[in-house]
Amino acid sequence: QKEVEQDPGPLSVPEGAIVSLNCTYSNSAFQYFMWYRQYSRKGPELLMYTYSSGNKEDGRFTAQVDKSSKYISLFIRDSQPSDSATYLCAMSAGAAGNKLTFGGGTRVLVKP
Amino acid sequence: GAVVSQHPSWVICKSGTSVKIECRSLDFQATTMFWYRQFPKQSLMLMATSNEGSKATYEQGVEKDKFLINHASLTLSTLTVTSAHPEDSSFYICSARDPGLAGGPLDEQYFGPGTRLTVT
Repeated sequence: QKEVEQDPGPLSVPEGAIVSLNCTYSNSAFQYFMWYRQYSRKGPELLMYTYSSGNKEDGRFTAQVDKSSKYISLFIRDSQPSDSATYLCAMSAGAAGNKLTFGGGTRVLVKP
Repeated sequence: GAVVSQHPSWVICKSGTSVKIECRSLDFQATTMFWYRQFPKQSLMLMATSNEGSKATYEQGVEKDKFLINHASLTLSTLTVTSAHPEDSSFYICSARDPGLAGGPLDEQYFGPGTRLTVT
């Protein structure tokens, strides 16, 4: 069993819809939770960074962490075709600057 | 924001040869850099953690004699794939941590654009 599980998708939504992504994990030592966006043949870029349980909102993005269930989510509101990418969750027992364990990534396609 | 570059962006080499990939932090000094490998439609797998001036720490299952890492300066880490074989073909991505931000809310890894290696 992988430490971090993520549905590979692809997830196809119409423009303007809400994109809902999630990951589950097994390592209770994880304290920091990140979501990255990766376009094809590019390096990942950090979207959201959450410490411990709770919600965090940044523009159209909302990240949720439920440590009791070992479950994290990312919601993208008012999705745009430019949001089409692979979204990776990542976790760390230390900060995001420390060793990261990534989920497999979910490919998202937002259709105009 | 912090910028990390990689060179080359892609490389094709023959089986049995060695290939060197460079990772540079352009606007900050990185005491720690990470090397990842990503196979098609798969996630990033950490290969090793590179600390300036000391030996790299390799993840389980990664051959340190095959993947040589040198972090000789605060802005440069290199990964050399020795005696490359077709199964080493992959997307290699580095990231760098800004020590000035360590422990704070902006403590994160800044990723390079990746290097695509194809071994024929």
